[in-house]
Amino acid sequence: DVKVTQSSRYLVKRTGEKVFLECVQDMDHENMFWYRQDPGLGLRLIYFSYDVKMKEKGDIPEGYSVSREKKERFSLILESASTNQTSMYLCASTPGGLETQYFGPGTRLLVL
Amino acid sequence: QKEVEQNSGPLSVPEGAIASLNCTYSDRGSQSFFWYRQYSGKSPELIMFIYSNGDKEDGRFTAQLNKASQYVSLLIRDSQPSDSATYLCAVNGDQGAQKLVFGQGTRLTINP
Repeated sequence: DVKVTQSSRYLVKRTGEKVFLECVQDMDHENMFWYRQDPGLGLRLIYFSYDVKMKEKGDIPEGYSVSREKKERFSLILESASTNQTSMYLCASTPGGLETQYFGPGTRLLVL
Repeated sequence: QKEVEQNSGPLSVPEGAIASLNCTYSDRGSQSFFWYRQYSGKSPELIMFIYSNGDKEDGRFTAQLNKASQYVSLLIRDSQPSDSATYLCAVNGDQGAQKLVFGQGTRLTINP
């Protein structure tokens, strides 16, 4: 079974803090994604990566950056957290092609 | 901008009846189509995928695809209270593209 894990289920941070969200997949997948999910707005793609050290902006990259130093790990960084970044963050991976994406359990982030 | 549209619901169905969930998409080049189920507070989990026009059945679930009408649906037969969840339709774009475009989801409630 594909396993995608995220470093935290719940996280509380203060405005202005630098926040790191980690995602690890154990299936040697090429592609990894970060989404945020908000009520009424659905899943929105923040960043994705096709390969190590490669990254592409999604639909809402502002205020975020990513890092992929190893194939199995994809990190989302909030450089200076703001209250409007309070959300559920979901990581996903896929082997590529037309395959489906497999999701991690999500991190619910609250920025105060 | 590629779009995937779903009726947000809520859709209420009596236990044992057929639940019908619908999704339309804007990109005619889309090649693969996915249905995810998401329980409250949890991450999306894949239920079915379909690539070809017609029906695809898996247990109580049937996915239907009509590329000419740009329409994909999910039927749930013999609905159970445990089927109560939000159902997300997702569409993969051009061949080689890795991104999924998600609909906002339809909230389904099965009434005992």
